Amino acid sequence: EDQVTQSPEALRLQEGESSSLNCSYTVSGLRGLFWYRQDPGKGPEFLFTLYSAGEEKEKERLKATLTKKESFLHITAPKPEDSATYLCAVHLNYGGSQGNLIFGKGTKLSVKP
Amino acid sequence: DGGITQSPKYLFRKEGQNVTLSCEQNLNHDAMYWYRQDPGQGLRLIYYSQIVNDFQKGDIAEGYSVSREKKESFPLTVTSAQKNPTAFYLCASSKGVQQGEFFGPGTRLTVL
Repeated sequence: EDQVTQSPEALRLQEGESSSLNCSYTVSGLRGLFWYRQDPGKGPEFLFTLYSAGEEKEKERLKATLTKKESFLHITAPKPEDSATYLCAVHLNYGGSQGNLIFGKGTKLSVKP
Repeated sequence: DGGITQSPKYLFRKEGQNVTLSCEQNLNHDAMYWYRQDPGQGLRLIYYSQIVNDFQKGDIAEGYSVSREKKESFPLTVTSAQKNPTAFYLCASSKGVQQGEFFGPGTRLTVL
């Protein structure tokens, strides 16, 4: 069964304390991996797409990396405004449709000043 | 500014009533999606549409219906057949999967 697992479920950091969020997947035919940020009561905001192992992308304090089995979202020197739930999703390479997007349950990040 | 709008933001429904959630996009995206989000669970796909007048069921389509008469609009009806409709509903669109899906602000539906 295709699955996406995010860990930890919740992460509490002090401002400036760097860390990483994990997204592991057991799917066949990965077509792309997506990271989103979601604030409470709002829709997810698109952050990154990764397509192949070894690929890296950066945006401000965030850096996403991809291996054959997992992706990491590294947060460098986080600030309180980085507090949010971070979602990972994978798109599968079969079916020929755009409906095969599987989401993880998310990691809730809290950054204390 | 281009984007996705959903209305209403909050919706209350009595048991046995059908309700329709609106989703409009002006991004000129071909594909549109409806997801449901419940606490402690990942987003689950309800329906999606890749082109006007065509749509496919997602993982949890039972009790829901959609239409795609215009490229810009993809309304979702939650019918009385949906046994547990209280949830946060998210609409999304994409030009192509490689460019990611862009989400609307969501509608929170509560059944009284």
